Amino acid sequence: DTEVTQTPKHLVMGMTNKKSLKCEQHMGHRAMYWYKQKAKKPPELMFVYSYEKLSINESVPSRFSPECPNSSLLNLHLHALQPEDSALYLCASSLQPGAAEAFFGQGTRLTVV
Amino acid sequence: KQEVTQIPAALSVPEGENLVLNCSFTDSAIYNLQWFRQDPGKGLTSLLLIQSSQREQTSGRLNASLDKSSGRSTLYIAASQPGDSATYLCAVSRSGGSNYKLTFGKGTLLTVNP
Repeated sequence: DTEVTQTPKHLVMGMTNKKSLKCEQHMGHRAMYWYKQKAKKPPELMFVYSYEKLSINESVPSRFSPECPNSSLLNLHLHALQPEDSALYLCASSLQPGAAEAFFGQGTRLTVV
Repeated sequence: KQEVTQIPAALSVPEGENLVLNCSFTDSAIYNLQWFRQDPGKGLTSLLLIQSSQREQTSGRLNASLDKSSGRSTLYIAASQPGDSATYLCAVSRSGGSNYKLTFGKGTLLTVNP
């Protein structure tokens, strides 16, 4: 099983809403990542979790709050987003940080209205 | 700062053709290079991973090569099919402390016409 599952697939939220994106993997990977991808652009790294601890925050605004409840789950909590935050949010995992192959989920298409 | 360039930006070919996608990177101190496929509005599917010590990897009709010293990789697709139509992204991770981070090229949009 090389699957990373993200829910929901699509999300529309207002600027005052609070919502969460979820990511799950059962490959025993101990590194998990959040990427953001704008239309016709490559993915950009947001956060890295290593052994359930936040190890990298790529200067992401505080309206994005990651959480790693256990080694299989990764959440991204959203609050007070702006329309320019609309994008495809991708979760990825790898055996260890920087180790070999990264596996990506299908993404959550987020629209902020 | 690592920069990854993919050429061409778009490619349209008839079904059955063999084709080559190019990827170049400015910093040869890479940990590995990975080729992905992305369908419109979807996530990334890993196609091939080449470790920095390797020269090539093959999977089915796909063959990827790596020349680390010159900062180049190619993805060869044999006997292309309409189902191969997608955006192909290459990404490199840096060796050393920041090897967690994948730096992506902007991708090549491939269209294979029946």
